Amino acid sequence: GAGVSQSPSNKVTEKGKDVELRCDPISGHTALYWYRQSLGQGLEFLIYFQGNSAPDKSGLPSDRFSAERTGGSVSTLTIQRTQQEDSAVYLCASSLALQGMGGNEQFFGPGTRLTVL
Amino acid sequence: SQKIEQNSEALNIQEGKTATLTCNYTNYSPAYLQWYRQDPGRGPVFLLLIRENEKEKRKERLKVTFDTTLKQSLFHITASQPADSATYLCALFTGGGNKLTFGTGTQLKVEL
Repeated sequence: GAGVSQSPSNKVTEKGKDVELRCDPISGHTALYWYRQSLGQGLEFLIYFQGNSAPDKSGLPSDRFSAERTGGSVSTLTIQRTQQEDSAVYLCASSLALQGMGGNEQFFGPGTRLTVL
Repeated sequence: SQKIEQNSEALNIQEGKTATLTCNYTNYSPAYLQWYRQDPGRGPVFLLLIRENEKEKRKERLKVTFDTTLKQSLFHITASQPADSATYLCALFTGGGNKLTFGTGTQLKVEL
């Protein structure tokens, strides 16, 4: 089927506004990740969902950032009171469930480019 | 502190040559390491995974080595083509679960 999709592809907002970014993972993938990529920088881990377990929020940079995953599928990343330093590409990825320590490839969406004016 | 280092300078090579990209890490003991390709404006695409007990992995024109003593992985593209031009990212599985930590990537340019 289709790969990981994200919407919107681009978002321009004013400083102080809230934004919501959406991710539709590959059907059947129980693991979902959010990353942030700033210009010329590597991918910065934000949050990780695995099945019904509590999410790993260790990468969220501040309490203005939150994410939820409804029904084990679609995920929304919310940034409240956006700041200019939040400008980046936000990438979502999904993968099959971890089996032992074998590792699983992650399938990335095209990203949402967020610009905070 | 923990670091994953990839050469930040772009690597320019001639078509047909072998490109070799380096990923060094410190203060990690990853069970496995992955390499991804990223084109401008797109998300990364998985290329290869190598486990700590594997010295080398091959896929078509790609070869990855993993030296846990040197804490280094090398990524080779043989018979390189202009279509191989992209940024290549290494990533380690760190911490619990399925979490990846990425290097900053190396940009490869293959010229005619």
